[in-house]
Formats: sequence, C-alpha cells, structure tokens
Amino acid sequence: KAGVTQTPRYLIKTRGQQVTLSCSPISGHRSVSWYQQTPGQGLQFLFEYFSETQRNKGNFPGRFSGRQFSNSRSEMNVSTLELGDSALYLCASSPRDRVIGEQYFGPGTRLTVT
Amino acid sequence: ILNVEQSPQSLHVQEGDSTNFTCSFPSSNFYALHWYRWETAKSPEALFVMTLNGDEKKKGRISATLNTKEGYSYLYIKGSQPEDSATYLCAFNQAGTALIFGKGTTLSVSS
Repeated sequence: KAGVTQTPRYLIKTRGQQVTLSCSPISGHRSVSWYQQTPGQGLQFLFEYFSETQRNKGNFPGRFSGRQFSNSRSEMNVSTLELGDSALYLCASSPRDRVIGEQYFGPGTRLTVT
Repeated sequence: ILNVEQSPQSLHVQEGDSTNFTCSFPSSNFYALHWYRWETAKSPEALFVMTLNGDEKKKGRISATLNTKEGYSYLYIKGSQPEDSATYLCAFNQAGTALIFGKGTTLSVSS
C-alpha cells in the first residue's frame, strides 16, 4: 500500500501571501489530521477531518483552515502568512473510524515564510 | 489545557546500554496513549498504541508500559543500538479528542 503523500515538500512564501498544502492519505483511511512542528515545540495539532467533516480543531487562529474531499484527500490553507508560520507541516491518516487512532504520517511540507 | 510531559528531554547512551523514558499525561477521561519514533529525515512511525491500564506492549527490544490511574507511561529500550537514535514522542487523547503530543525525548546512541 502506498503511504501518505504530501505536496509540495518544500515551499517558500512571502509574508502576507497565502498557501495551500495537500495530503493524500493511505487508501482506505478516512481520518486525516494535520500537525505543525516548529523548533522547540512538539507536534501541535491543527485539525482532524473524517468523511469530509472537521471532527476536531486545535488552538490556531482562523487563518488556518482545511477541508477534506470525498476521496479523503485533504488540503490545508494558511492565509496572510506570518513569519511565525514557518514550520514543518505534517499530515497523518488513520484507519480508525470512531475515534482517532494510530497515525500514519506523511513526509511533511517544509514551509518557509520570508 | 491538557499537557503531555516527557522526560528526559535528551539522552546519550553507549551501544548496549538499556534506557527508559517517561511520559506523563492527565489521568482523567483517558482513552489512549501512543508512542512514536521519529528518525531524522523520516516521518514519525507508530510504535505502540495502548488503551488499558496495566497494558504492556513489546516490539523487539522496545517495550512500553501504561498506568492510566496515575497518568504515566514508560518506554524501555534494551541493549540500545545506533539505529535506535531518534526522537521518541508520546501522545495522549481522551475519547473524541485529538492527540496531544509531548515534545519528545531525543536519544543518541554511540557505538
């Protein structure tokens, strides 16, 4: 089975711009979660989607949004980028349905905001 | 605010040493405790998911225990090898909530 894929892998944006990151989960996984990792911080939860519905949301400003499509692929969008948004963004899918389960992580997208 | 604490923050051992790390989490409304290994330039990889108090899981030289009543889990590595060098993350969730990750323990094993 193919693993979780994320595109693009690297991205450089300018402050004030917006960005869209994409994640394709493992086939059959309907839960997709997004995490942000910055230096000195653990993985910070952004949001989780299950069957196109946001099931959980982390403590991030409204500039961070996401969605999930009927094929379980997910996108996250960050508008009005700030320097502090520079981070590794990880997507993970899970085979569990009722509650979030074991996470299968993608390789991440490294976003640099200048 | 729910918080997951891991200790130590980093650890350096010699090849062949056994070591253990601690993960502390809120004991109320517990649902599951996860352990992940994150090697440099790779994606985090699940080691264990534990849900029952007293759970013990083992994968090769790595094992984990869980105490939900007091809110802690231990990860043990027996006979550390250089390939065990990685950051070990634990994550906790209550039913219906997202996973909350600790900041990790970074293990370095010298040959």
